Order: sequence, then C-alpha cells, then structure tokens
Amino acid sequence: DAGVIQSPRHEVTEMGQEVTLRCKPISGHNSLFWYRQTMMRGLELLIYFNNNVPIDDSGMPEDRFSAKMPNASFSTLKIQPSEPRDSAVYFCASRAGQGETQYFGPGTRLLVL
Amino acid sequence: AQKITQTQPGMFVQEKEAVTLDCTYDTSDPSYGLFWYKQPSSGEMIFLIYQGSYDQQNATEGRYSLNFQKARKSANLVISASQLGDSAMYFCAMREGHLKPLVFGKGTRLSVIA
Repeated sequence: DAGVIQSPRHEVTEMGQEVTLRCKPISGHNSLFWYRQTMMRGLELLIYFNNNVPIDDSGMPEDRFSAKMPNASFSTLKIQPSEPRDSAVYFCASRAGQGETQYFGPGTRLLVL
Repeated sequence: AQKITQTQPGMFVQEKEAVTLDCTYDTSDPSYGLFWYKQPSSGEMIFLIYQGSYDQQNATEGRYSLNFQKARKSANLVISASQLGDSAMYFCAMREGHLKPLVFGKGTRLSVIA
C-alpha cells in the first residue's frame, strides 16, 4: 500500500515567492494533518482536517499560510509570500479514524532565501 | 505547560545493550493515547509503538516496548538489543481523546556505538 505522498520533496525559493506544498493521504484515511518541524520549535501542528473539513487552524502562523482539502485524496498548504523564517520541513500525516495511528509522509524540505 | 516532556536531549548506548528513553506527559483527559516515532537522519517519521490509557498491559512491538506507568504519567520507550540502525531521533507523542491530533515532545537523539 502506498503511504502518505508529499510533493515536492525539496523546494528552494526566494523570499516573496508563493510556495505550494501538496499531500495525498493514505486511501481511506479521513483525517489529515499538516506539521512543521524546525530545530527551534520542534514539531508543531499547523492545521488538521476531518472528512475534508478544517477543524483547527490555530497553529497556522499567520495569514500568509493557507491550507485546503478539496477532496479526500488531496490537500495543499500554501505560503504567500514566503519569508526566510518559513524554512523548515513540512510534514503531512493521515489517520484512518478515531483513535487510530497517524502515519507521516516523507516531508517537504523548504528553504526560503 | 508542556504536554510531553523528554528530558534527555541525547543518549548513547553500546550495540546489543538495552536503552530506555524517557517520556512524561500531562493531561486531565482520562482517555488518551501515547505514541513513539523514530526519525532517522533521512528525515521520515516512522511509527514504532502505541499505548492506550486503558490498556492493562505494556505495549510491545519486536525489540520495542513501552514502560507505561500511569500514576507517574510516564511512557518510557525501551529498546532491547540495540543495533547501529537504531541511531536516530525518537519522539514521544500524545493524543488526548480520540479525535485530536498528536502533540510531540522535543525528542531524544540516540546514538548506538559499535
């Protein structure tokens, strides 16, 4: 079975540019999570969806960040405009249902110059 | 207040020895789940083991076991017979209730020495 798929795996961009990160959850999973990992702050939850509906976006740093889940098999995290402090590894994870384990994608390593 | 505390930033263990990675948690929810993930240098997050708050027995998965002490709110990971491939970051995480996402500790970097 395919795991959580994220693209791109690496992204290098210049400050001010728009960045779009993509995630395909495991088929049949109904919860999707976006996390950000930095050395300073560790793993932080940005936003999560249940059945394609955003449940909690309190972790989104600011209005420059937005996330969508138009259907059960696809989600995007967009940063516009990007800033150097957004440089991090962004993980997408999915979960089959209540009380189940979260499985992570390989992550997108973002570098904003 | 931190919900998950991992007090050991780094640990060393000799190959073939056992090692315990500490994790304490804080919650008032009677129903919760505790998880351990491994993050090797390649960066992926690998699920290792799960313990539910109502589970009577400690969870085990191969060489991994979870030493669950509910009264002390601790969920330590024990790795037996360490291998060089066990060198990685290890994260403890908690889910409160059944719907919420995982909250992670800061991690412990384990180095296995030949």
